[in-house]
Amino acid sequence: EAGVTQSPTHLIKTRGQQATLRCSPISGHTSVYWYQQALGLGLQFLLWYDEGEERNRGNFPPRFSGRQFPNYSSELNVNALELEDSALYLCASSFQGYTEAFFGQGTRLTVV
Amino acid sequence: AQKVTQAQTEISVVEKEDVTLDCVYETRDTTYYLFWYKQPPSGELVFLIRRNSFDEQNEISGRYSWNFQKSTSSFNFTITASQVVDSAVYFCALSDGTGGFKTIFGAGTRLFVKA
Repeated sequence: EAGVTQSPTHLIKTRGQQATLRCSPISGHTSVYWYQQALGLGLQFLLWYDEGEERNRGNFPPRFSGRQFPNYSSELNVNALELEDSALYLCASSFQGYTEAFFGQGTRLTVV
Repeated sequence: AQKVTQAQTEISVVEKEDVTLDCVYETRDTTYYLFWYKQPPSGELVFLIRRNSFDEQNEISGRYSWNFQKSTSSFNFTITASQVVDSAVYFCALSDGTGGFKTIFGAGTRLFVKA
């Protein structure tokens, strides 16, 4: 069974540009979670999507947004990129309402 | 507010040594979940264990064991007879019991196992 897959693996963008990160959950999982792992800041909860709806949001500005598609895959969009957005972005998925999630390998975003 | 503290930033051991990674948490919830994840250099977070707040039984899985003590709000992780492949960053995490994986992570402990 395939795990959580994320694309691209690496992404390099210029300050001010937009970045789009993608996540495909484990088959059968309806919830998708996004986390940011920035150097020195640890893992920070970004967003939680379930059944196409945003269920919860971490303490991030509105330029971090996303969506979940009918097939439960998800996109994370980061607008007006800043240097501090450089980080590893991890996606996790779970069954609806479950408190156990499995992570993908991450997308490393570098803003120059 | 919830909080997870992993006081050990880095630990270095020699292969075959036992090592314990500490985790202390804070929460006002009566129902909550605790996790340990391993992050090897590849970056992916690998799920190791989940424990709910009503189950204080210790658990052993191969060389891994976990000690959950509500009285001290601790959920420590021990690797017995460590191996080089155990070298990774280990995260302890806490989730409330309201559903979903709204989880906060500790800062992580980087474990170096030398041959």
